[in-house]
Amino acid sequence: QSALTQPASVSGSPGQSITISCTGTSSDVGGYNYVSWYQQHPDKVPKLMIYDVSRRPSGVSNRFSGSKSGNTASLTISGLQAEDEADYYCCSYRSGDFYVFGTGTMVTVL
Amino acid sequence: QVQLVQSGAEVKRPGASVKVSCKASGYTFTTLNMHWVRRAPGQGLEWMGWIAPNSGVTNYPQKFQGRVTMTRDMSITTVYMELSNLRSDDTAVYYCTRAPEAWFDPWGQGTLVTVSS
Repeated sequence: QSALTQPASVSGSPGQSITISCTGTSSDVGGYNYVSWYQQHPDKVPKLMIYDVSRRPSGVSNRFSGSKSGNTASLTISGLQAEDEADYYCCSYRSGDFYVFGTGTMVTVL
Repeated sequence: QVQLVQSGAEVKRPGASVKVSCKASGYTFTTLNMHWVRRAPGQGLEWMGWIAPNSGVTNYPQKFQGRVTMTRDMSITTVYMELSNLRSDDTAVYYCTRAPEAWFDPWGQGTLVTVSS
């Protein structure tokens, strides 16, 4: 069960926007609008940032947004802040009632 | 508020089994599936499967089939994840997490399982 593909690292300066991609197949990302994104700081618990491709839970900054095109989903962080420095993971529903995470992206604020 | 509280850290020998618990509170336990996810050192998040607390039905990815067993005790609103035939690469932090639908929120605090001879 192969993981979704994410870039290993993305960096940006404070105030800039960055985008993290998450590529799967028609059996997961491309076939369902069930992509979610999680932020994990070192030694902390993962936190839900986006669900159902583009929906934002209450309490999550509107600087975080999600989208999808074909088999690739994306997370955009606008107005980058120091506190955004963390690991980010996408996750998708996969046919057969399975789930699969992305390989993870380390975001660095320069 | 919704809380998931997991059992404490474990150290096991290769070939042994470990059973991690996750006690849920703050919502109706039987209405939402519980999933287990792990993160090994230097690795990413890995989905391990889910259990439906109302029925006990489970679903595991092929990688863990035959080695993982998820169960629940409705009387104490607790789910369990047992992993057998442990290897060194099973050393990881294991999380339980609730699935309102096709996403995970909240997460338990994590349980470190160390496999070492």
